[in-house]
Amino acid sequence: DAKTTQPPSMDCAEGRAANLPCNHSTISGNEYVYWYRQIHSQGPQYIIHGLKNNETNEMASLIITEDRKSSTLILPHATLRDTAVYYCIVRVARSGGYQKVTFGTGTKLQVIP
Amino acid sequence: EAQVTQNPRYLITVTGKKLTVTCSQNMNHEYMSWYRQDPGLGLRQIYYSMNVEVTDKGDVPEGYKVSRKEKRNFPLILESPSPNQTSLYFCASSSSFRGTGDNEQFFGPGTRLTVL
Repeated sequence: DAKTTQPPSMDCAEGRAANLPCNHSTISGNEYVYWYRQIHSQGPQYIIHGLKNNETNEMASLIITEDRKSSTLILPHATLRDTAVYYCIVRVARSGGYQKVTFGTGTKLQVIP
Repeated sequence: EAQVTQNPRYLITVTGKKLTVTCSQNMNHEYMSWYRQDPGLGLRQIYYSMNVEVTDKGDVPEGYKVSRKEKRNFPLILESPSPNQTSLYFCASSSSFRGTGDNEQFFGPGTRLTVL
């Protein structure tokens, strides 16, 4: 699976959009981009995923560049409860299920009042 | 309620005393995995299983064993724990690939293990 690179930390003002970048320059054609977040030491929580099109759900939007080498997770109106570590991972999609998964160290997002 | 459960949630033990951390999911997922989390190192995969009787090593398998005799359970076994296995452990499960990428992992609440 391709590795990802994320900034170690970011700040965002409450109510503003939080834009979290992820670089996955070695991604291959059958790898999806997934985002998770972890609040304190709880189990990580799934946010969103995509292959090559932009995606939106009730939690966030995912923008994937045309060459798929990077992506941005957007939290449109950040709240204090969005303070967490955000992980971007890529995961190959092949019949029989996913295999090894590499999470990395993520981006620690601090939402400031 | 769909969930992944882990037991125990907290455990303090001594070096060399065998222990098992249990993981169970009620979503009929094929894929299950164990991770450990240490300060500054993020989440690292220990072992994963793509189905019953099918397991494979992740990035940090040394000192751990797993088994997958039933679909819902995926226990993590430390035959002879050592202090460097003190960590926060997470179990996760997901369905198999179905062509849409809708295979997000569901994580358990974590097990905090201390080996003295």
